[in-house]
Amino acid sequence: QVQLVQSGAEVRKPGASVKISCRASEHTFASFHIHWVRQAPGQGFEWMGVLNPINGKPYYTQKFQDRVTMTRDTSTSTFDMELSSLTSEDTAVYYCARRVHLTSPLGDWGQGTLVTVSS
Amino acid sequence: DIQMTQSPSSLSASVGDRVTITCRASQAINNYLAWYQVKPGKVPKLLIYGASTLQSGVPSRFSASGSGTDFTLTISSLQPEDVATYYCQKFDTAPWTFGQGTKVEIK
Repeated sequence: QVQLVQSGAEVRKPGASVKISCRASEHTFASFHIHWVRQAPGQGFEWMGVLNPINGKPYYTQKFQDRVTMTRDTSTSTFDMELSSLTSEDTAVYYCARRVHLTSPLGDWGQGTLVTVSS
Repeated sequence: DIQMTQSPSSLSASVGDRVTITCRASQAINNYLAWYQVKPGKVPKLLIYGASTLQSGVPSRFSASGSGTDFTLTISSLQPEDVATYYCQKFDTAPWTFGQGTKVEIK
């Protein structure tokens, strides 16, 4: 059963912002923190940050600290990740992911959202 | 931040070969180390984590070992369906950094 469903592909111009959504099934919304990870074409995985679904408190990795915002909407069981001041280097597939139990790593992944930044 | 270094970056082996991938952390992370398998166009698949906790459905030819700073993923008998890129990831404290990946191909 698919537990995390992401929004569709986006195309943006350099300098713009993009917001990606990740919807969890209602009964699993508060289960575990939501992590955001990206993979640029031909590159490895880059962990961007994590959000606590209970209190909405985020942790951002230093690289994205100034231009990423992670939020959640408890009424719609949705998590959002907004990235601003986009450049071509932000072209990547973005994933939301979470643990499947308290001591596990990321066992539950969204399907990924391709963000293309191009003029 | 703790850095994760994988080696080799790629390897080519024959079907049935034993394959070993190494992941080294710049500081001790206890056993909070995960291994993922990623096939082109697919979502990462969690294979194994901790000392050797194999995810449900993962073939027993996959195993992991290590602690502290040095970890290995072993495929005891490489199969054609194991062609993928493998990543390690630390998950003790934020940031949950990934290794650079190891691309595994069939010779």
